[in-house]
Amino acid sequence: DVKVTQSSRYLVKRTGEKVFLECVQDMDHENMFWYRQDPGLGLRLIYFSYDVKMKEKGDIPEGYSVSREKKERFSLILESASTNQTSMYLCASLTAGNGYTFGSGTRLTVV
Amino acid sequence: GENVEQHPSTLSVQEGDSAVIKCTYSDSASNYFPWYKQELGKRPQLIIDIRSNVGEKKDQRIAVTLNKTAKHFSLHITETQPEDSAVYFCAASDQEGAQKLVFGQGTRLTINP
Repeated sequence: DVKVTQSSRYLVKRTGEKVFLECVQDMDHENMFWYRQDPGLGLRLIYFSYDVKMKEKGDIPEGYSVSREKKERFSLILESASTNQTSMYLCASLTAGNGYTFGSGTRLTVV
Repeated sequence: GENVEQHPSTLSVQEGDSAVIKCTYSDSASNYFPWYKQELGKRPQLIIDIRSNVGEKKDQRIAVTLNKTAKHFSLHITETQPEDSAVYFCAASDQEGAQKLVFGQGTRLTINP
């Protein structure tokens, strides 16, 4: 089974802090994704990457950046956290022919 | 870009009855339509998917139908059980390039015993 691991389950950060959310997959997948999940809005794509050092903006990239230095690791960065970035963040890896495998999520609270 | 609308946002059915969740999409280039189930406190998991070269797919009590002309697809759950209670998401993708999925808003399904 593909494993997608997000390093933190819960995080509390202060407004203005730089925040790093880490995601690691163990199946050598090329495509990885970061979504945020908010009630009534579903899952919205923040950024995605289809190869090492390659990244593309999703639908809501403002206030975020990403890093993909190694194939297995895709990091989401909040440059200066704000309260409207309080959300559940889900990382996913594309399994060829079988859709996404999601990580368990990071619930981020910005105070 | 693609836009996916999902209805209803909440659905409550009696155990043993059927449940239907509907989604519409906007991009005619989309050709892959998965459904994810998210139980409380857990990650979304793929339960069934359909590609645009077929109109229906079944897996035990779950089925998905696709109408390419009308650009809508539906999830059907028969003989519902308490463990079917969850949030369900539909999604669409053109299966090209990075194969990014666009998700619907989600449906909270509650099965009443």
